Amino acid sequence: DGGITQSPKYLFRKEGQNVTLSCEQNLNHDAMYWYRQDPGQGLRLIYYSQIVNDFQKGDIAEGYSVSREKKESFPLTVTSAQKNPTAFYLCASSIYLAGIYEQYFGPGTRLTVT
Amino acid sequence: GQQVMQIPQYQHVQEGEDFTTYCNSSTTLSNIQWYKQRPGGHPVFLIQLVKSGEVKKQKRLTFQFGEAKKNSSLHITATQTTDVGTYFCAGGLTQAGTALIFGKGTTLSVSS
Repeated sequence: DGGITQSPKYLFRKEGQNVTLSCEQNLNHDAMYWYRQDPGQGLRLIYYSQIVNDFQKGDIAEGYSVSREKKESFPLTVTSAQKNPTAFYLCASSIYLAGIYEQYFGPGTRLTVT
Repeated sequence: GQQVMQIPQYQHVQEGEDFTTYCNSSTTLSNIQWYKQRPGGHPVFLIQLVKSGEVKKQKRLTFQFGEAKKNSSLHITATQTTDVGTYFCAGGLTQAGTALIFGKGTTLSVSS
């Protein structure tokens, strides 16, 4: 059963702690993405990676870090430098097929920092 | 920076009425994609438009890409309760690039 998994579904942390969100895909997709979704704000791109060992900053990368050591995995670390980390985080992957870069999304992780 | 504006933010309709959401980009797009997110769910790809003036249909959904490749619309004919959710447009800036700029979405509610 192919797809994208994100764990955990809900995550609670104290302010000042770093936290890492997991994203794994078995779709053999080259590109992976992290988005942040806040109410009324749509999806904002944090980081993306088009190939293993390479990644690019998105619009709101400050306070976040990523790694892409394996094709299947693209973990996101929310650092203590992120001023407002409470949000719904979505991971996605895509592959170029028949002229289309369709993005497949995982179920998301809802992070609450208090 | 580049932006994709989407209106309206919210729309409530009676079942059977039509619905349209509009996207406008501050820059010319290579392509535009549409996604649907059901309440509590994650975005799901609906369609991609690439050509200037392109129109595509999926059952009751009609997607258009403007002649200047800066605007797009999604029209739903005779809405059903299963259409509820948030519809996002997402603009691709380059043909080779994979990153998209998402609009803020239009949340559709339907009453029966």
